[in-house]
Amino acid sequence: NAGVTQTPKFRILKIGQSMTLQCTQDMNHNYMYWYRQDPGMGLKLIYYSVGAGITDKGEVPNGYNVSRSTTEDFPLRLELAAPSQTSVYFCASSLGRTSGYNEQFFGPGTRLTVL
Amino acid sequence: KNEVEQSPQNLTAQEGEFITINCSYSVGISALHWLQQHPGGGIVSLFMLSSGKKKHGRLIATINIQEKHSSLHITASHPRDSAVYICAVRALISNFGNEKLTFGTGTRLTIIP
Repeated sequence: NAGVTQTPKFRILKIGQSMTLQCTQDMNHNYMYWYRQDPGMGLKLIYYSVGAGITDKGEVPNGYNVSRSTTEDFPLRLELAAPSQTSVYFCASSLGRTSGYNEQFFGPGTRLTVL
Repeated sequence: KNEVEQSPQNLTAQEGEFITINCSYSVGISALHWLQQHPGGGIVSLFMLSSGKKKHGRLIATINIQEKHSSLHITASHPRDSAVYICAVRALISNFGNEKLTFGTGTRLTIIP
């Protein structure tokens, strides 16, 4: 199993450009998450999904959109990139909210710079 | 005040020393996670616990639910333990039972040979 994969690893965008960060997991996990990690800050939840076709906002959703058409894929879309979106983005997945256990598996991250 | 506070923020120690990293939280939780972020950026889950103590190799995690406090210990520390250690707490975010993790800012550990 590859686990959670993310592409691209690095990207530089100009202000106003758009892009999609890809995330795929091959563990048949129901839950998937997008986080951003800013220097000196804890990871913040952007969006999450509890299954195909179901998504919901996290703490910092403004400027982003997601979709979940399949169990495996959970892309994150930036429509109008802004310097405030410069960050490292992590995708994660977990089996589900089974009682007492919900380990999250993280992708390697995407380092995005908006200039 | 952050919901999850870690201390210390930075820790440098000699190889072989016993390491303790602390995590305090202010909300009701269903579980607490300890994660390790490698210098290259990858994040791996070390422990998930909701009570008591867990041990894996040289790593030990404890939690005191009443005091809202957890510790991560590393025995016989080694330079390869150098990483950022992140505490995260799991709590409900919706009436539908969905949960989210709230993360601390991490403790940067450096072990010197």
